[in-house]
Amino acid sequence: GEDVEQSLFLSVREGDSSVINCTYTDSSSTYLYWYKQEPGAGLQLLTYIFSNMDMKQDQRLTVLLNKKDKHLSLRIADTQTGDSAIYFCAEKKAAGNKLTFGGGTRVLVKP
Amino acid sequence: GAVVSQHPSRVICKSGTSVKIECRSLDFQATTMFWYRQFPKQSLMLMATSNEGSKATYEQGVEKDKFLINHASLTLSTLTVTSAHPEDSSFYICSAGPGEPSTDTQYFGPGTRLTVL
Repeated sequence: GEDVEQSLFLSVREGDSSVINCTYTDSSSTYLYWYKQEPGAGLQLLTYIFSNMDMKQDQRLTVLLNKKDKHLSLRIADTQTGDSAIYFCAEKKAAGNKLTFGGGTRVLVKP
Repeated sequence: GAVVSQHPSRVICKSGTSVKIECRSLDFQATTMFWYRQFPKQSLMLMATSNEGSKATYEQGVEKDKFLINHASLTLSTLTVTSAHPEDSSFYICSAGPGEPSTDTQYFGPGTRLTVL
């Protein structure tokens, strides 16, 4: 199976919270990242978490990491229409600088 | 900080021609740059790792003679698609790292959309 997996699509109402989930298989991952991609654009780094952390909060963004289950989530509080985009999680393995990306979750925020 | 640019943002070329895409780190030095390819509605596929002053490391299945990579300085890497064909049409994205040393974070360029007619 794929190294990093995400659900394909998430629809959420403006003002609600969004939760995007990601699972990975490599227990040696050192850093895990969340990137945002808007149509026709490159990837914007949103946040990252080191593998020995359980949680990281940065303004509206909260990252939760369950290392035992190899599960990563990104919660966006008070979701806005500008948050509509594709969100990619990525893992960096212990060896080398290469990132492995999930397939991306398309988030649609409805007014 | 940590801005990566790409040029051009969009290019249309005829089949059989070569196209060069530039990736620059604007406010930091990047010993390593990465080149990705993204098909519509798909994830990023790593093509190669570009190391300053040495040969690039290509991922399995990527033709090094077709996708020429040069990383001549700490702020510039170029990807040349040689003898382009319609199946090479794609969105090419570069990233540069390390940015913050503590995270080895990669910062991505805005991408180059290549269309081969």
